[in-house]
Amino acid sequence: QVQLQESGPGLVKPSETLSLTCTVSGGSISSYFWSWIRQPPGKGLEWIGYIYYTGSTNYSPSLQGRVTISLDTSKNQFSLNLRSVIAADTAVYYCARSPPSVTTYSPFDFWGQGTLVTVSS
Amino acid sequence: DIVMTQSPDSLAVSLGERATINCKSSQSILYSSNNKNYLAWYQQKPGQPPKLLIYWATSRESGVPDRLSGSGSGTDFTLTISSLQAEDVAVYYCQQYYTTPLTFGGGTKVEI
Repeated sequence: QVQLQESGPGLVKPSETLSLTCTVSGGSISSYFWSWIRQPPGKGLEWIGYIYYTGSTNYSPSLQGRVTISLDTSKNQFSLNLRSVIAADTAVYYCARSPPSVTTYSPFDFWGQGTLVTVSS
Repeated sequence: DIVMTQSPDSLAVSLGERATINCKSSQSILYSSNNKNYLAWYQQKPGQPPKLLIYWATSRESGVPDRLSGSGSGTDFTLTISSLQAEDVAVYYCQQYYTTPLTFGGGTKVEI
Protein backbone atom coordinates (compact mmCIF):
# COMPACT_ATOMS: atom_id res chain seq x y z
CA GLN A 1 0.00 0.00 0.00
CA VAL A 2 1.41 3.34 -1.07
CA GLN A 3 1.89 5.89 1.71
CA LEU A 4 2.76 9.57 1.42
CA GLN A 5 4.15 11.67 4.27
CA GLU A 6 4.68 15.41 4.27
CA SER A 7 7.47 16.98 6.32
CA GLY A 8 8.76 20.48 6.89
CA PRO A 9 8.52 23.54 9.15
CA GLY A 10 5.13 24.35 10.61
CA LEU A 11 5.87 28.07 10.87
CA VAL A 12 7.27 30.35 8.19
CA LYS A 13 7.82 34.10 8.39
CA PRO A 14 6.21 36.42 5.84
CA SER A 15 8.35 37.02 2.72
CA GLU A 16 10.34 33.84 3.34
CA THR A 17 10.19 30.50 1.49
CA LEU A 18 7.92 27.63 2.48
CA SER A 19 9.67 24.30 1.88
CA LEU A 20 8.00 20.90 2.23
CA THR A 21 8.99 17.37 1.27
CA CYS A 22 6.75 14.40 0.53
CA THR A 23 8.23 10.94 1.07
CA VAL A 24 6.62 8.11 -0.86
CA SER A 25 6.79 4.61 0.59
CA GLY A 26 5.33 1.28 -0.44
CA GLY A 27 5.73 2.04 -4.12
CA SER A 28 7.90 3.68 -6.72
CA ILE A 29 7.74 7.32 -7.65
CA SER A 30 8.03 6.30 -11.29
CA SER A 31 5.14 6.43 -13.74
CA TYR A 32 2.93 8.76 -11.71
CA PHE A 33 1.99 12.41 -11.34
CA TRP A 34 2.82 13.90 -7.94
CA SER A 35 0.89 16.94 -6.77
CA TRP A 36 0.76 19.46 -3.98
CA ILE A 37 -2.68 20.62 -2.84
CA ARG A 38 -3.48 23.03 -0.04
CA GLN A 39 -6.48 23.81 2.15
CA PRO A 40 -6.69 27.02 4.20
CA PRO A 41 -8.26 26.44 7.63
CA GLY A 42 -11.99 25.87 7.26
CA LYS A 43 -11.90 26.32 3.47
CA GLY A 44 -11.76 24.29 0.28
CA LEU A 45 -9.03 22.58 -1.71
CA GLU A 46 -6.61 24.32 -4.08
CA TRP A 47 -4.29 22.48 -6.45
CA ILE A 48 -0.81 24.00 -6.44
CA GLY A 49 0.91 21.97 -9.14
CA TYR A 50 2.35 18.62 -10.11
CA ILE A 51 5.56 17.01 -11.19
CA TYR A 52 5.63 13.98 -13.45
CA TYR A 53 8.17 11.25 -12.75
CA THR A 54 10.09 12.45 -15.83
CA GLY A 55 10.59 15.81 -14.11
CA SER A 56 8.11 17.85 -16.15
CA THR A 57 6.02 20.26 -14.10
CA ASN A 58 2.72 22.11 -14.32
CA TYR A 59 1.76 24.85 -11.88
CA SER A 60 -1.43 26.68 -11.06
CA PRO A 61 -1.40 30.10 -12.75
CA SER A 62 -2.42 31.69 -9.45
CA LEU A 63 0.90 30.62 -7.92
CA GLN A 64 3.08 30.55 -11.01
CA GLY A 65 6.22 32.54 -10.38
CA ARG A 66 6.35 31.70 -6.69
CA VAL A 67 6.26 27.91 -6.78
CA THR A 68 8.75 25.20 -7.67
CA ILE A 69 8.17 21.46 -7.39
CA SER A 70 11.14 19.13 -7.67
CA LEU A 71 11.78 15.41 -7.58
CA ASP A 72 14.45 13.19 -6.00
CA THR A 73 13.87 9.72 -7.39
CA SER A 74 16.82 8.27 -5.45
CA LYS A 75 15.03 9.11 -2.21
CA ASN A 76 11.47 8.55 -3.51
CA GLN A 77 10.67 12.13 -2.55
CA PHE A 78 9.30 15.25 -4.14
CA SER A 79 9.37 18.75 -2.75
CA LEU A 80 7.52 22.06 -2.76
CA ASN A 81 9.09 25.50 -2.53
CA LEU A 82 6.75 28.49 -2.27
CA ARG A 83 8.54 31.83 -2.23
CA SER A 84 7.60 35.19 -0.74
CA VAL A 85 4.85 33.77 1.44
CA ILE A 86 2.08 35.86 2.97
CA ALA A 87 -0.53 35.14 5.62
CA ALA A 88 -2.94 33.92 2.95
CA ASP A 89 -0.56 31.02 2.27
CA THR A 90 -1.41 29.60 5.71
CA ALA A 91 -2.96 26.20 5.02
CA VAL A 92 -2.77 22.45 5.43
CA TYR A 93 -0.52 21.27 2.61
CA TYR A 94 -1.16 17.83 1.15
CA CYS A 95 0.88 15.78 -1.26
CA ALA A 96 -1.03 13.40 -3.51
CA ARG A 97 -0.57 10.88 -6.32
CA SER A 98 -2.34 10.62 -9.66
CA PRO A 99 -1.96 7.58 -11.92
CA PRO A 100 -0.78 8.12 -15.47
CA SER A 101 -3.48 8.71 -18.05
CA VAL A 102 -3.52 7.94 -21.77
CA THR A 103 -5.39 11.17 -22.48
CA THR A 104 -5.09 14.07 -20.07
CA TYR A 105 -5.07 13.70 -16.31
CA SER A 106 -6.44 11.46 -13.55
CA PRO A 107 -7.83 11.85 -10.03
CA PHE A 108 -5.83 11.81 -6.80
CA ASP A 109 -5.91 8.25 -5.53
CA PHE A 110 -3.48 8.49 -2.60
CA TRP A 111 -2.97 11.44 -0.26
CA GLY A 112 -0.64 12.29 2.58
CA GLN A 113 -2.10 13.17 5.97
CA GLY A 114 -1.30 16.83 5.44
CA THR A 115 0.82 19.30 7.36
CA LEU A 116 -0.29 22.67 8.67
CA VAL A 117 1.97 25.55 7.69
CA THR A 118 1.34 28.88 9.37
CA VAL A 119 2.76 32.09 7.93
CA SER A 120 3.37 34.52 10.75
CA SER A 121 6.11 36.68 12.18
CA ASP B 1 -9.91 27.96 -15.54
CA ILE B 2 -12.82 25.54 -15.21
CA VAL B 3 -14.94 26.65 -12.26
CA MET B 4 -16.65 23.89 -10.29
CA THR B 5 -19.79 24.99 -8.45
CA GLN B 6 -21.33 22.72 -5.82
CA SER B 7 -24.76 22.93 -4.27
CA PRO B 8 -25.96 23.05 -1.63
CA ASP B 9 -23.20 24.29 0.67
CA SER B 10 -24.58 22.04 3.39
CA LEU B 11 -27.47 19.67 3.98
CA ALA B 12 -28.93 17.78 6.88
CA VAL B 13 -30.35 14.35 6.19
CA SER B 14 -31.93 11.81 8.51
CA LEU B 15 -30.30 8.43 8.93
CA GLY B 16 -31.46 6.09 6.19
CA GLU B 17 -32.62 8.94 3.94
CA ARG B 18 -31.20 10.02 0.58
CA ALA B 19 -28.62 12.77 0.20
CA THR B 20 -28.01 14.46 -3.15
CA ILE B 21 -25.09 16.76 -3.93
CA ASN B 22 -24.80 18.66 -7.18
CA CYS B 23 -21.71 19.82 -9.05
CA LYS B 24 -21.67 22.01 -12.15
CA SER B 25 -18.62 22.75 -14.29
CA SER B 26 -18.24 26.03 -16.19
CA GLN B 27 -17.48 24.08 -19.37
CA SER B 28 -17.94 20.52 -20.52
CA ILE B 29 -15.51 18.01 -19.02
CA LEU B 30 -16.62 15.23 -21.36
CA TYR B 31 -13.66 14.13 -23.47
CA SER B 32 -15.04 13.31 -26.91
CA SER B 33 -12.35 10.83 -27.95
CA ASN B 34 -13.17 8.35 -25.18
CA ASN B 35 -16.63 9.57 -24.06
CA LYS B 36 -15.45 9.88 -20.46
CA ASN B 37 -16.31 12.64 -18.01
CA TYR B 38 -13.20 13.81 -16.16
CA LEU B 39 -14.95 14.24 -12.83
CA ALA B 40 -14.09 12.84 -9.41
CA TRP B 41 -15.78 12.95 -6.01
CA TYR B 42 -13.94 12.97 -2.67
CA GLN B 43 -15.03 12.60 0.93
CA GLN B 44 -13.22 14.47 3.68
CA LYS B 45 -13.76 13.84 7.37
CA PRO B 46 -12.41 16.21 10.06
CA GLY B 47 -8.66 16.03 10.47
CA GLN B 48 -8.27 13.66 7.53
CA PRO B 49 -7.18 14.07 3.92
CA PRO B 50 -9.76 13.74 1.17
CA LYS B 51 -10.56 10.20 0.09
CA LEU B 52 -11.32 9.34 -3.53
CA LEU B 53 -14.85 7.94 -3.88
CA ILE B 54 -15.83 8.20 -7.55
CA TYR B 55 -13.90 8.78 -10.78
CA TRP B 56 -14.98 9.11 -14.42
CA ALA B 57 -18.13 10.60 -12.85
CA THR B 58 -19.68 7.18 -12.20
CA SER B 59 -16.97 4.62 -11.36
CA ARG B 60 -16.73 3.69 -7.70
CA GLU B 61 -13.27 3.38 -6.15
CA SER B 62 -12.49 -0.03 -4.64
CA GLY B 63 -13.98 -0.39 -1.16
CA VAL B 64 -16.50 2.43 -1.51
CA PRO B 65 -19.97 1.28 -0.45
CA ASP B 66 -22.52 0.98 -3.23
CA ARG B 67 -24.92 3.34 -1.44
CA LEU B 68 -22.65 6.10 -2.85
CA SER B 69 -23.08 6.66 -6.56
CA GLY B 70 -22.20 9.27 -9.15
CA SER B 71 -24.13 10.36 -12.20
CA GLY B 72 -24.21 13.06 -14.84
CA SER B 73 -22.39 14.11 -17.97
CA GLY B 74 -21.03 17.17 -19.71
CA THR B 75 -21.38 19.96 -17.16
CA ASP B 76 -23.86 18.63 -14.58
CA PHE B 77 -23.04 15.93 -12.07
CA THR B 78 -24.56 14.43 -8.94
CA LEU B 79 -23.30 12.42 -5.99
CA THR B 80 -26.04 10.43 -4.30
CA ILE B 81 -25.94 8.69 -0.95
CA SER B 82 -28.95 6.41 -1.17
CA SER B 83 -29.34 5.67 2.54
CA LEU B 84 -27.30 7.92 4.78
CA GLN B 85 -25.25 6.24 7.49
CA ALA B 86 -23.53 7.91 10.44
CA GLU B 87 -20.11 7.32 8.87
CA ASP B 88 -21.14 9.35 5.80
CA VAL B 89 -21.05 12.60 7.78
CA ALA B 90 -18.31 14.54 6.00
CA VAL B 91 -17.58 17.26 3.47
CA TYR B 92 -17.78 16.14 -0.16
CA TYR B 93 -15.84 17.74 -3.01
CA CYS B 94 -16.07 17.35 -6.75
CA GLN B 95 -12.97 17.86 -8.90
CA GLN B 96 -12.34 18.11 -12.62
CA TYR B 97 -9.22 16.56 -14.10
CA TYR B 98 -9.99 17.46 -17.72
CA THR B 99 -7.42 20.23 -17.85
CA THR B 100 -5.05 22.24 -15.72
CA PRO B 101 -5.36 24.02 -13.45
CA LEU B 102 -7.06 21.09 -11.76
CA THR B 103 -9.96 22.55 -9.82
CA PHE B 104 -12.28 21.55 -7.00
CA GLY B 105 -15.79 22.54 -6.04
CA GLY B 106 -16.28 24.50 -2.85
CA GLY B 107 -17.49 21.48 -0.90
CA THR B 108 -20.81 20.29 0.54
CA LYS B 109 -21.10 19.49 4.22
CA VAL B 110 -23.40 16.55 4.96
CA GLU B 111 -24.81 16.33 8.48
CA ILE B 112 -27.42 14.27 10.24
